[in-house]
Amino acid sequence: EAGVTQSPTHLIKTRGQQATLRCSPISGHTSVYWYQQALGLGLQFLLWYDEGEERNRGNFPPRFSGRQFPNYSSELNVNALELEDSALYLCASSYLNTGGHGYTFGSGTRLTVV
Amino acid sequence: DAKTTQPPSMDCAEGRAANLPCNHSTISGNEYVYWYRQIHSQGPQYIIHGLKNNETNEMASLIITEDRKSSTLILPHATLRDTAVYYCIVRVFNTGTASKLTFGTGTRLQVTL
Repeated sequence: EAGVTQSPTHLIKTRGQQATLRCSPISGHTSVYWYQQALGLGLQFLLWYDEGEERNRGNFPPRFSGRQFPNYSSELNVNALELEDSALYLCASSYLNTGGHGYTFGSGTRLTVV
Repeated sequence: DAKTTQPPSMDCAEGRAANLPCNHSTISGNEYVYWYRQIHSQGPQYIIHGLKNNETNEMASLIITEDRKSSTLILPHATLRDTAVYYCIVRVFNTGTASKLTFGTGTRLQVTL
């Protein structure tokens, strides 16, 4: 069974540009979660999508947005990039009824803003 | 979700048991204790979870105190590959719904020779 896949692995952008990160969940998983982990810091919850809808949002500005497609894959878009957006962006997926042990994380996309 | 308190770092000699404590004094009756770990620059990995009984799987054991206000994750024979940040999380387990995991700062476990 394929795990959660994220692309690209690394991304370098210039301040002010837009970045698009992609996540493919485990087959059968309907929920996708996005987390930001800045260097040396903990995981900060960004967004949660389920069945194509945004279910919850962390304390991030509106320039962080995303969507979930009918096949349950997801995109995270970051507009007007700032230097402090440089971080590891992690995606996780789960299926309803599986609780916390059903979360599977991808290996992340490392975004560098210069 | 209840907050947790963990020591920022711990050391353990390879081959010895690693005992990682977690305080969750405000845990509610319907909240479970979950443990994840994150090896450097990788995505977090689920380890184990429990409600009130002690649990064991192929990776670790989870000991929850009778009042459920604290717990200990035990890695019985730590290896260098167990060096990671370990997160203790408490949250409600709702059948039929899913919700986000809230990660704290965790414990950085360093396993040494």
